[in-house]
Amino acid sequence: GENVEQHPSTLSVQEGDSAVIKCTYSDSASNYFPWYKQELGKGPQLIIDIRSNVGEKKDQRIAVTLNKTAKHFSLHITETQPEDSAVYFCAARPMNTGFQKLVFGTGTRLLVSP
Amino acid sequence: DTEVTQTPKHLVMGMTNKKSLKCEQHMGHRAMYWYKQKAKKPPELMFVYSYEKLSINESVPSRFSPECPNSSLLNLHLHALQPEDSALYLCASSQADRGYTEAFFGQGTRLTVV
Repeated sequence: GENVEQHPSTLSVQEGDSAVIKCTYSDSASNYFPWYKQELGKGPQLIIDIRSNVGEKKDQRIAVTLNKTAKHFSLHITETQPEDSAVYFCAARPMNTGFQKLVFGTGTRLLVSP
Repeated sequence: DTEVTQTPKHLVMGMTNKKSLKCEQHMGHRAMYWYKQKAKKPPELMFVYSYEKLSINESVPSRFSPECPNSSLLNLHLHALQPEDSALYLCASSQADRGYTEAFFGQGTRLTVV
């Protein structure tokens, strides 16, 4: 089945710096890759996603890139702010399990210091 | 309205108790999910309902019993749980018809089994 690896497990940056989180997946048939932000005591919140027919997507300070050949995708946050501090999860949806099942990475705890 | 509402937010139960978790969404989504999340771990899929029918059961023990009484509601009935079942239980929903579909999560129910 699909396996998603995520690095780093923790990331500390200064406010205003950029942050990059990387994920690799194993199933070449996976076709949808969302990123979730989870704040303490809350449920995961979708922040950006990318489909397998797209190489890059941006939304203000957040961007995601996908390399299908290498089977990896990355989250880029520019001009980080303290409120970006949270745990970030990448996920992949294996096509052979239907559209509903997401396989999550292990998470990255991002700390943005003022 | 992109809200998935879960009740209760916190629940403490004994190993002989019977309790239920509830989830509600009014986005017209016809796919609903239960995930389990242990501390510092990613969410793990438990069940998926599509059009009020159980479509995925990830080999979850029978002490967890899901129910989807209508297209807006999802319940998780709990009976004879073990302390290791203590976790954050997340409900999510998404459209069921399109190939690429966002999943929206609720805030979760923090369950403690004593």
